[in-house]
Amino acid sequence: EIVLTQSPATLSLSPGERATLSCRASQSVSSYLAWYQQKPGQAPRLLIYDASNRATGIPARFSGSGSGTDFTLTITSLEPEDFAVYYCQQRSNWLTFGQGTKLEIK
Amino acid sequence: QVQLVQSGAEVKKPGSSVKVSCKASGGTFSYYGISWVRQAPGQGLEWMGGIIPIFGTPNYAQKFQGKVTITTDESTSTAYMELSSLRSEDTAVYYCARDSKPYDSGSPPFDQWGQGTLVTVSS
Repeated sequence: EIVLTQSPATLSLSPGERATLSCRASQSVSSYLAWYQQKPGQAPRLLIYDASNRATGIPARFSGSGSGTDFTLTITSLEPEDFAVYYCQQRSNWLTFGQGTKLEIK
Repeated sequence: QVQLVQSGAEVKKPGSSVKVSCKASGGTFSYYGISWVRQAPGQGLEWMGGIIPIFGTPNYAQKFQGKVTITTDESTSTAYMELSSLRSEDTAVYYCARDSKPYDSGSPPFDQWGQGTLVTVSS
């Protein structure tokens, strides 16, 4: 099973700041990596697929990068609605999720 | 735009089973994989397994082999997830999620999710 390790576990930032979230895979997942955002009481929402492609309707302040084992989700200029939990997911070999990064207001 | 609507919350006794449904509307059902994802209280997302309706053969995460049964009914565009031998640790929200692309399009992410079904296991 491919293990995805997200860091940091919690990220405390202020609106307007830049957020950088990391996801590291235990073995290469090529570019088969997605990012999801989840708010309390809601289902996850797809943000990024294939490591760097924004899903439909996702604002341009969200971007993804990386390939192989190291991936990054960047949110430039945080908006109040961006504070949530973010998960990475791979589908190169079966399917696994990272444990999540909580982005909280500082 | 496909919508996934799940059945309502359940309260079950330990040792019993539960079957959760996920009805798709507004799009093509048979050619898109449907997966089930579990989220225990305050915890992360855990993939349980998935199925492509037109083929009907499910794949299960190793952890859930023998514990979960995933089926579909193409006539009603509905997927089902049955969880057996329930324990308190199975208390969680269960989501269905649909692949963003048809089955022959590589390894797509999930672009549509159900609203989630809370299953509570308690004596």
